[in-house]
Amino acid sequence: GAVVSQHPSRVICKSGTSVKIECRSLDFQATTMFWYRQFPKQSLMLMATSNEGSKATYEQGVEKDKFLINHASLTLSTLTVTSAHPEDSSFYICSARGGSLISYEQYFGPGTRLTVT
Amino acid sequence: DQQVKQNSPSLSVQEGRISILNCDYTNSMFDYFLWYKKYPAEGPTFLISISSIKDKNEDGRFTVFLNKSAKHLSLHIVPSQPGDSAVYFCAASAREGAQKLVFGQGTRLTINP
Repeated sequence: GAVVSQHPSRVICKSGTSVKIECRSLDFQATTMFWYRQFPKQSLMLMATSNEGSKATYEQGVEKDKFLINHASLTLSTLTVTSAHPEDSSFYICSARGGSLISYEQYFGPGTRLTVT
Repeated sequence: DQQVKQNSPSLSVQEGRISILNCDYTNSMFDYFLWYKKYPAEGPTFLISISSIKDKNEDGRFTVFLNKSAKHLSLHIVPSQPGDSAVYFCAASAREGAQKLVFGQGTRLTINP
């Protein structure tokens, strides 16, 4: 149980284009989803928290107009990187929490490697 | 301000021996702690957790110890196996603040045959 999927696993895009990453909870209802990014050899940095049906809460320093998050259902959240630039290249990971799962525990997707050329 | 710290970036242990990974935290509001294992280009996998009302939690080969007075936790893996080679992150959460996880920097564990 507690499986989270992400799609795509890898994406390469040109500078100035937008990219959408999907995060799905496959066997539970995710009342809360989190988006992280990880730079090489660094820790996971929380970008934003989203609750189903409400606006995402962004961490300090994260541009909400650049990283659009939508949590339209209890099993799906999307992150759209708008007008991507090379500095947005990173490993993006989502996690989900909810249902009968212990409230603090988050279950992570496999991540999406974004490369902006 | 690094609220969760893993001061050892890497650790090398002989197969069959005990691996001990350490983690320190500064925020006294943290009341739940978790350990995750991560392979390159994959998402973290949940390993074990502990509530602040306990000082030990055990699950198979994995045991987490919590010393609240020292604001320190550790993960013991015994016996260590080659498949345990990965990066281990400790994370902490507080009932306040939407129960967000704050991660340490990670420790790369290598198990030598």
